Amino acid sequence: DAGITQSPRHKVTETGTPVTLRCHQTENHRYMYWYRQDPGHGLRLIHYSYGVKDTDKGEVSDGYSVSRSKTEDFLLTLESATSSQTSVYFCATRGYYQETQYFGPGTRLLVL
Amino acid sequence: QQQVKQSPQSLIVQKGGIPIINCAYENTAFDYFPWYQQFPGKGPALLIAIRPDVSEKKEGRFTISFNKSAKQFSLHIMDSQPGDSATYFCAATMTTGGAGNMLTFGGGTRLMVKP
Repeated sequence: DAGITQSPRHKVTETGTPVTLRCHQTENHRYMYWYRQDPGHGLRLIHYSYGVKDTDKGEVSDGYSVSRSKTEDFLLTLESATSSQTSVYFCATRGYYQETQYFGPGTRLLVL
Repeated sequence: QQQVKQSPQSLIVQKGGIPIINCAYENTAFDYFPWYQQFPGKGPALLIAIRPDVSEKKEGRFTISFNKSAKQFSLHIMDSQPGDSATYFCAATMTTGGAGNMLTFGGGTRLMVKP
């Protein structure tokens, strides 16, 4: 997984609670991405970062926020989790001169 | 709106068969088309990728065919093996889009290769 770790790997939470997922990379890649994976939808981009403190919205950003205070860490926060946010979340990274995105192992989130 | 449409959703072949997965895109500004392979419980991993200036690319048993005029591309797996059983995703991006090379994914194809 190209030096990418995600934590936690599994989480069960209740509707209305805040949740933060962490992505950590050791590749010194400039770009980092958060995707969610749902059956029939492939992977959809939530937010991405093009540098420390530089982030932008993706296709399905409503209900999510992100932060990147260090090159190696990219946090995804669900301010108030809803059942529709039950999904598998993947972090990905890409080097500045690369075309390929490398994916982490994923976090399986269940919102009850 | 899904800009990359992938078919079929699932596919079963016998060992040695040649499964073919098709993708169609809408945005003519896309200029990089990767395929990812995902095993259960794992993240997607790059399998092979193509740019629209070539019509075919081979890497081992995996071949991408690209039809720029039809805005379609496909993945062929030669001499398929049970170990190829996985979910395959096509994707597309604009490498010069200035928006972080965001990937747009197809919906995925679950492939099963029977022994």
